[in-house]
Amino acid sequence: DAGVIQSPRHEVTEMGQEVTLRCKPISGHNSLFWYRQTMMRGLELLIYFNNNVPIDDSGMPEDRFSAKMPNASFSTLKIQPSEPRDSAVYFCASSIQENTEAFFGQGTRLTVV
Amino acid sequence: KNEVEQSPQNLTAQEGEFITINCSYSVGISALHWLQQHPGGGIVSLFMLSSGKKKHGRLIATINIQEKHSSLHITASHPRDSAVYICAVNSGGSEKLVFGKGMKLTVNP
Repeated sequence: DAGVIQSPRHEVTEMGQEVTLRCKPISGHNSLFWYRQTMMRGLELLIYFNNNVPIDDSGMPEDRFSAKMPNASFSTLKIQPSEPRDSAVYFCASSIQENTEAFFGQGTRLTVV
Repeated sequence: KNEVEQSPQNLTAQEGEFITINCSYSVGISALHWLQQHPGGGIVSLFMLSSGKKKHGRLIATINIQEKHSSLHITASHPRDSAVYICAVNSGGSEKLVFGKGMKLTVNP
């Protein structure tokens, strides 16, 4: 398996633009997580899905952020409109079931100017 | 106070040294994870444990549930071990991971 695949690896966008980050989890994994990493706050959970259903979105910073998982092999994290403070590395991770080892993607480095 | 505390925040060692990285947590957990993040940014899961000790190559992870403390040991350290080591916990049976700030390790040749 190729592991968790995220795209794009890097994204530079202007403030106010819509940004969509994509994630393909490992086949057969039932849980998917979106994390954000910044220098100030470290790694933080934004939202996680179990069997394609959002379970905990308490980490989503505000209404500008939304995440979907239309099927078991694809998820998106959308920011609309983007702001400079959204600049961070966004990681997607998946695990086979609850409370098991998580496998991380390579991350998407987002820069909003 | 953060739920997960790591110490030290930074550590520089010489190749071959035995290294210990500590993690303390203040909440009930179902599991504790040790993650490694290399300068390129990718994150790799090293261990997931809920009791006792696990070993993989030169890495050993231990956890003491009563003391709410875990350690990651690196034997015969090597420059390629240079990375940020992150401790994270599944709090109260949730799948949600709570992360420590990480510890930056530099191993000099």
